[in-house]
Amino acid sequence: AQSVTQLDSHVSVSEGTPVLLRCNYSSSYSPSLFWYVQHPNKGLQLLLKYTSAATLVKGINGFEAEFKKSETSFHLTKPSAHMSDAAEYFCVVSDLGNQFYFGTGTSLTVIP
Amino acid sequence: ETGVTQTPRHLVMGMTNKKSLKCEQHLGHNAMYWYKQSAKKPLELMFVYSLEERVENNSVPSRFSPECPNSSHLFLHLHTLQPEDSALYLCASSQDGQGDGNTIYFGEGSWLTVV
Repeated sequence: AQSVTQLDSHVSVSEGTPVLLRCNYSSSYSPSLFWYVQHPNKGLQLLLKYTSAATLVKGINGFEAEFKKSETSFHLTKPSAHMSDAAEYFCVVSDLGNQFYFGTGTSLTVIP
Repeated sequence: ETGVTQTPRHLVMGMTNKKSLKCEQHLGHNAMYWYKQSAKKPLELMFVYSLEERVENNSVPSRFSPECPNSSHLFLHLHTLQPEDSALYLCASSQDGQGDGNTIYFGEGSWLTVV
């Protein structure tokens, strides 16, 4: 069975410092993995996805994530946080077909 | 702009009203979804349609009734709702069988308040 665990429900960083949002998954198959961002009063926007190509995936707005099979992790990072990064972030795993499994979300606060 | 459009963006309805949420996708996808997002709760999958056939219904109360007339349109008909049904309803679409990994795209959501 597939599942996703986002290890932190809240993360707070100062503007200009690195961001790390952690995600662990379990999957019976070679999974596809995604990160989505949700700003207040908005839908979920795709940040990046991993689909068995390069293990380091670059996304929009300077975010990237590394797929580590041995650790079953897909952590999201950004070298320098910006105020506009404050939002809710969701890690998602997908197996074959139309099954998507969502984490419970991590709320990122950026302190000026 | 994600290619998935939801209307209305905001809806206030009484418990005895009948209303509908509409979703349209312009991505050529063959699967569409309704999700419910409530405060401090995980995202809940409500319905999945693939090739216009309902393939999943996660024990959603019958006061929610989905309709998928074609692969581009999805409706959620609402009838005699309860205040606890107040939430953000998200529509999404994806392409089944996509070789490079199925990706789900979301609309901006419809905020529903039941009074």
